[in-house]
Amino acid sequence: DTGVSQDPRHKITKRGQNVTFRCDPISEHNRLYWYRQTLGQGPEFLTYFQNEAQLEKSRLLSDRFSAERPKGSFSTLEIQRTEQGDSAMYLCASSSERNNEKLFFGSGTQLSVL
Amino acid sequence: SQQGEEDPQALSIQEGENATMNCSYKTSINNLQWYRQNSGRGLVHLILIRSNEREKHSGRLRVTLDTSKKSSSLLITASRAADTASYFCATGLNFGNEKLTFGTGTRLTIIP
Repeated sequence: DTGVSQDPRHKITKRGQNVTFRCDPISEHNRLYWYRQTLGQGPEFLTYFQNEAQLEKSRLLSDRFSAERPKGSFSTLEIQRTEQGDSAMYLCASSSERNNEKLFFGSGTQLSVL
Repeated sequence: SQQGEEDPQALSIQEGENATMNCSYKTSINNLQWYRQNSGRGLVHLILIRSNEREKHSGRLRVTLDTSKKSSSLLITASRAADTASYFCATGLNFGNEKLTFGTGTRLTIIP
């Protein structure tokens, strides 16, 4: 159990650029979640996958956001045409089928849009 | 949107004292969980209590749940400097807990 890994830890980009984040869940976990957290707030749900299927998307996930989990293992979250309001910590979490109530979080990717 | 609201927003206590933080939520739930987050890091699961339970213990942690008031409390006894962190309650609505909805958090500072 190596934990949930996210890459990069920090990303600074200019407004209008595209960015992509990667999440590697715990290997035997079939569920993977993306959350967004702004300063002083709790995490807000964005989307989740069961294996490779994306089963739920939040209204927060605008058309500029897309998430994939092509082989049911790692996942990517892409933000196109970034805006300053996209600046936040993007957190990935995973859970196992046997104990899907408990989420294991990665350390997050801190995005700063200038 | 945030489901839960934690109270207080910030709490500072002396090492060795007990810390109590509260969480209120809006809808019926399947379970309620508490997570800890150290600054700039991910969240760590602390404890889960189900809707048919009223109290649960884990080490120095004690959680209560009052579904009639839609509220929960987290008690940390004999606090340590390492307990300094933000604490979030999170509610699970569906049996499969497809997603957790987090509150706004309590920032706890333990003064050595």
